Amino acid sequence: DAGVIQSPRHEVTEMGQEVTLRCKPISGHNSLFWYRQTMMRGLELLIYFNNNVPIDDSGMPEDRFSAKMPNASFSTLKIQPSEPRDSAVYFCASSPGRSIQNTEAFFGQGTRLTVV
Amino acid sequence: DQQVKQNSPSLSVQEGRISILNCDYTNSMFDYFLWYKKYPAEGPTFLISISSIKDKNEDGRFTVFLNKSAKHLSLHIVPSQPGDSAVYFCAASVSGGSYIPTFGRGTSLIVHP
Repeated sequence: DAGVIQSPRHEVTEMGQEVTLRCKPISGHNSLFWYRQTMMRGLELLIYFNNNVPIDDSGMPEDRFSAKMPNASFSTLKIQPSEPRDSAVYFCASSPGRSIQNTEAFFGQGTRLTVV
Repeated sequence: DQQVKQNSPSLSVQEGRISILNCDYTNSMFDYFLWYKKYPAEGPTFLISISSIKDKNEDGRFTVFLNKSAKHLSLHIVPSQPGDSAVYFCAASVSGGSYIPTFGRGTSLIVHP
């Protein structure tokens, strides 16, 4: 398996523009996470899907952020409108399922977002 | 409020010596703990984990110790190698819940040749 695939790897956009980040989880994994990494906060969870259903979106900063998982092999994180403070590395991760033996999350390489 | 804390942003160690990375947590419901390693421009990768029913788990050069009463865990790397230089994230989850790992801010380890 190729692992978790994220696109694009880098995104530079102007303030106010819409940004869409994409993720393809590992086939067969039931859980999908979107994390944001910043120097101040480290890795913070934005949203968690289980079997394509959003379970916990309490980490989504504000209404400008939205995430979807239309099927088991694809998820998007959208920011509209984007702001400079959204600049960070965004990671998508997936894990096999809801058991103690399957807690390990597998991460993609991340999307480095810069909003100017 | 950070539920998982890594209070040392960085650590510098000589090759061949022991590296000790520390992690504290505040949520007593956490019962499964993980360490991830992250190289620049890559995503974090799972390194080692420990369940709260144990106080030690060893995998080659890596050992994780858990002190539940102190809500503290540590990762020992012996001997340290230059290739171990990376950012190490501590994470914790609740096995009876959604298993969502909560991460600390990370500790940057530099192993000098």
